[in-house]
Amino acid sequence: GIQVEQSPPDLILQEGANSTLRCNFSDSVNNLQWFHQNPWGQLINLFYIPSGTKQNGRLSATTVATERYSLLYISSSQTTDSGVYFCAVDTGRRALTFGSGTRLQVQP
Amino acid sequence: GAGVSQSPSNKVTEKGKDVELRCDPISGHTALYWYRQSLGQGLEFLIYFQGNSAPDKSGLPSDRFSAERTGGSVSTLTIQRTQQEDSAVYLCASSLGVEKLFFGSGTQLSVL
Repeated sequence: GIQVEQSPPDLILQEGANSTLRCNFSDSVNNLQWFHQNPWGQLINLFYIPSGTKQNGRLSATTVATERYSLLYISSSQTTDSGVYFCAVDTGRRALTFGSGTRLQVQP
Repeated sequence: GAGVSQSPSNKVTEKGKDVELRCDPISGHTALYWYRQSLGQGLEFLIYFQGNSAPDKSGLPSDRFSAERTGGSVSTLTIQRTQQEDSAVYLCASSLGVEKLFFGSGTQLSVL
């Protein structure tokens, strides 16, 4: 099956800093989504982004499907951004395959 | 409803017992997914329902696991003869077509 690799696995930031999270995948995809799992376990959908660039407030994402990677940018990080960020892809079977996540801790 | 609803939020059971986990998807969503997440791990796909099509059961770890979706809405995941390795958070998600997945809060299953 498809391999989804996320980097870095862990990240510690000071409040106000910017960061870039990366997702590499091993095969062509027709669906890519980014999720944030907060410290209480709730998964929130951030972006549906099979290709191109999207922005939502301090967050933006870019997927370069031809090169099989996606990037999630977090600007001016806040403590509420802490948690685990997951990238998930679909190769056509319709069920998303999740990466192992990037654990982000934003310190005040 | 406004979001994906799962019940119970917590379930403690004894090894060998059967359990049923329930998921109410967002109204109108045609696709429904079950995943599970072990402590500190990523999400493992279990089963996927899309409309009236046959479900994709390829992620079910053993024949002790089964799921159904009645009337294209509510889904029940059943685990028979539970084992300690079944302990995890079971997450349900729904979507409209191939677009964004929306997750419920999950059911924390503990098998003693």
